[in-house]
Amino acid sequence: SQQGEEDPQALSIQEGENATMNCSYKTSINNLQWYRQNSGRGLVHLILIRSNEREKHSGRLRVTLDTSKKSSSLLITASRAADTASYFCATTDSWGKLQFGAGTQVVVTP
Amino acid sequence: EAGVTQSPTHLIKTRGQQATLRCSPISGHTSVYWYQQALGLGLQFLLWYDEGEERNRGNFPPRFSGRQFPNYSSELNVNALELEDSALYLCASSLPHRQETQYFGPGTRLLVL
Repeated sequence: SQQGEEDPQALSIQEGENATMNCSYKTSINNLQWYRQNSGRGLVHLILIRSNEREKHSGRLRVTLDTSKKSSSLLITASRAADTASYFCATTDSWGKLQFGAGTQVVVTP
Repeated sequence: EAGVTQSPTHLIKTRGQQATLRCSPISGHTSVYWYQQALGLGLQFLLWYDEGEERNRGNFPPRFSGRQFPNYSSELNVNALELEDSALYLCASSLPHRQETQYFGPGTRLLVL
């Protein structure tokens, strides 16, 4: 079974708009990571947020973490066509094993 | 600095054959992880190697095996291939701590006919 569940499953927006996706998980975590995958290729690591952090920024990305609700959100501001990809959240268990959600497919149209 | 590399990029096999997939981690990374991404099933953890030893494995049958070499590169072997083994196999590496960020290679797409 998957630890994380992303919402929505798919998202279509226009360039310049913001994209927000959410991730919920079930068990206690040490950290949560967001990855991007283009066209079924390798995953690109976007950002890691530790369990004692509430918010983190990286360029146009903003990630929040609410451990009381066991949820995280990823915000992409001023989206570009190149942001079209699938986005996955992943939690790390005590063994270091990443458990991924099903992903959110984001399509950014010019 | 080179990222995680995997070979081959594509592999076509027939049912019952064996497949060998290779992964070279980022320099300085001692941990290597293997994941399977099958259509409709998402990313599933397969194996974790660190310092040449298998540290953890996912819920996969024993015909999925692997090893890590002294230079920290790794092989994933899949014996007695089945049609449902068709998937993208992703390798990731990390620094020697179980909570470190994992960096992924481009994957090997295996098709079993």
